[in-house]
Amino acid sequence: EAQVTQNPRYLITVTGKKLTVTCSQNMNHEYMSWYRQDPGLGLRQIYYSMNVEVTDKGDVPEGYKVSRKEKRNFPLILESPSPNQTSLYFCASSVRLAGGPYNEQFFGPGTRLTVL
Amino acid sequence: GEDVEQSLFLSVREGDSSVINCTYTDSSSTYLYWYKQEPGAGLQLLTYIFSNMDMKQDQRLTVLLNKKDKHLSLRIADTQTGDSAIYFCAEKSDRGSTLGRLYFGRGTQLTVWP
Repeated sequence: EAQVTQNPRYLITVTGKKLTVTCSQNMNHEYMSWYRQDPGLGLRQIYYSMNVEVTDKGDVPEGYKVSRKEKRNFPLILESPSPNQTSLYFCASSVRLAGGPYNEQFFGPGTRLTVL
Repeated sequence: GEDVEQSLFLSVREGDSSVINCTYTDSSSTYLYWYKQEPGAGLQLLTYIFSNMDMKQDQRLTVLLNKKDKHLSLRIADTQTGDSAIYFCAEKSDRGSTLGRLYFGRGTQLTVWP
């Protein structure tokens, strides 16, 4: 089944304790992205990757890191989490990013993170 | 980033039509999308429209695009309780440095009353 998976689905942690949220897709997609969803603010893009070893900042990258060593995986790293990073996080992928023909973004099920 | 605006809440009675409105700012956007988010789940693409179209119909869904006013709407006919969800409008940027990125509105929470 074609899908985007995220782990963990739920995480409660404390300020300053490094954590990683994994994201994996099995559709051979070039483009992957991380978003955070906060009430009343909708989805905001954190980082995206157009292909292996190519990553770029989205609109709210502060406090986050990513890596894209393999095509299928795009982990989100919080080196020193803070309470304002409490949010619902979504990973997404699509065939490619380039302009031109439409391509659908497929979303993972979300990771609810609470930082105390 | 680009600005995509939509109202936050809409309540309708089962069987009525729902209309969710959205405005966007990037006149060069070639594709506009409606995503649906059900409780506890990720977003799923509901429908999309190419910018040279005025209207697209897909079963109970009708998308209207007014490119001059940069206004997009989603009409759901015969709304059912299963349609209760958050609906996100999104535009795909076709500008240089943000080429291909999606910009989402804040989402409209649709509540359908039996």
